[in-house]
Amino acid sequence: GAVVSQHPSRVICKSGTSVKIECRSLDFQATTMFWYRQFPKQSLMLMATSNEGSKATYEQGVEKDKFLINHASLTLSTLTVTSAHPEDSSFYICSARAWQGANSPLHFGNGTRLTVT
Amino acid sequence: AQKITQTQPGMFVQEKEAVTLDCTYDTSDPSYGLFWYKQPSSGEMIFLIYQGSYDQQNATEGRYSLNFQKARKSANLVISASQLGDSAMYFCAMREDRGAQKLVFGQGTRLTINP
Repeated sequence: GAVVSQHPSRVICKSGTSVKIECRSLDFQATTMFWYRQFPKQSLMLMATSNEGSKATYEQGVEKDKFLINHASLTLSTLTVTSAHPEDSSFYICSARAWQGANSPLHFGNGTRLTVT
Repeated sequence: AQKITQTQPGMFVQEKEAVTLDCTYDTSDPSYGLFWYKQPSSGEMIFLIYQGSYDQQNATEGRYSLNFQKARKSANLVISASQLGDSAMYFCAMREDRGAQKLVFGQGTRLTINP
């Protein structure tokens, strides 16, 4: 159980275009989802916390107008990279908790590798 | 602010040997959780083991165990009888139980198992 599906797995886009990444919890409801970014050979950096029915909470230094997050339902959060540039090329990965207990791990999607040309 | 440190960028171990991956943390919250994840080259994040700050015993999950030393603020992962398939990046992470409950990751350790 506790499956998180992320789509697409890979995307190549031209500079200036926008890209939408979907994150779905398949067998549980998630009021909160987390979006991370990972550069090659580096750790996961939290970008924002996506809250169902309300605005996302962004980490310091993350441009909210560039990385639009929408959490329209209890099973779907989307991250849109607007006006993408080559420096936005990265691995984006979403996650959610299946339950609220202290010992509940984050379940991750398989990630999206974005390449901006 | 919470902080996680993994000081071993890379580890090389012979197959079937045990390996310890180091992790230290810093937090002012008395209630927190520590997690270890494995990330193979394919990129997915695989949850391995959890240790709560109030747990009296070290967590174990199959070949994985967590050497939790609260006074030293360390939570080292021990993998027994290593296998070739254990080669991957390993991340230690911490979540404070108060506030936003964000999961913060360490820098990671790349483990390579040699045949």
